[in-house]
Amino acid sequence: DSGVTQTPKHLITATGQRVTLRCSPRSGDLSVYWYQQSLDQGLQFLIQYYNGEERAKGNILERFSAQQFPDLHSELNLSSLELGDSALYFCASRGGNTEAFFGQGTRLTVV
Amino acid sequence: AQTVTQSQPEMSVQEAETVTLSCTYDTSESDYYLFWYKQPPSRQMILVIRQEAYKQQNATENRFSVNFQKAAKSFSLKISDSQLGDAAMYFCAYRLYTGKLIFGQGTTLQVKP
Repeated sequence: DSGVTQTPKHLITATGQRVTLRCSPRSGDLSVYWYQQSLDQGLQFLIQYYNGEERAKGNILERFSAQQFPDLHSELNLSSLELGDSALYFCASRGGNTEAFFGQGTRLTVV
Repeated sequence: AQTVTQSQPEMSVQEAETVTLSCTYDTSESDYYLFWYKQPPSRQMILVIRQEAYKQQNATENRFSVNFQKAAKSFSLKISDSQLGDAAMYFCAYRLYTGKLIFGQGTTLQVKP
């Protein structure tokens, strides 16, 4: 158990819909990172938050947004979903150490 | 921009044998971290080993070791005494100072009994 919790584990939704993925970081970790892993591919960085503020952005679509709340949990919002958005979405958290700890991911299927 | 390349999409090894997975990267930074992550069928991302660029000594974690060649920008993973549970996809990753990870495309390792 990495200590990072992601909910839900699985999500099936229709095109055009909006979903929210949730991430609770390890206790004390201020940084949260979101990654997208499409089928059998590497992980692509989406966005990073540190203590409630956006720190870095990757190739995140305009239809996607995220935020980190005062209790440090983070949410990734995906809207106007398309079939190509089907993927595994990972959250990772990092504290003062050097490595990130990953949640188990949310598998999103858009039908 | 930093890039990470894994040139072996698939590898196979006989149980109890040794296998080496290759990774090269490109960066202009002098201080950074490199990682190998394992992703089994459960899809969980599991840290296997990490290497700090300023350390010349290669990292070792039990049966896993790396060959870090900083000048060549090469970071290979050696798995000794391979076990069936080692079968997974392995990702090489470079960490920027922000903590963001840049991943390679992955190598699928098959372990044959």
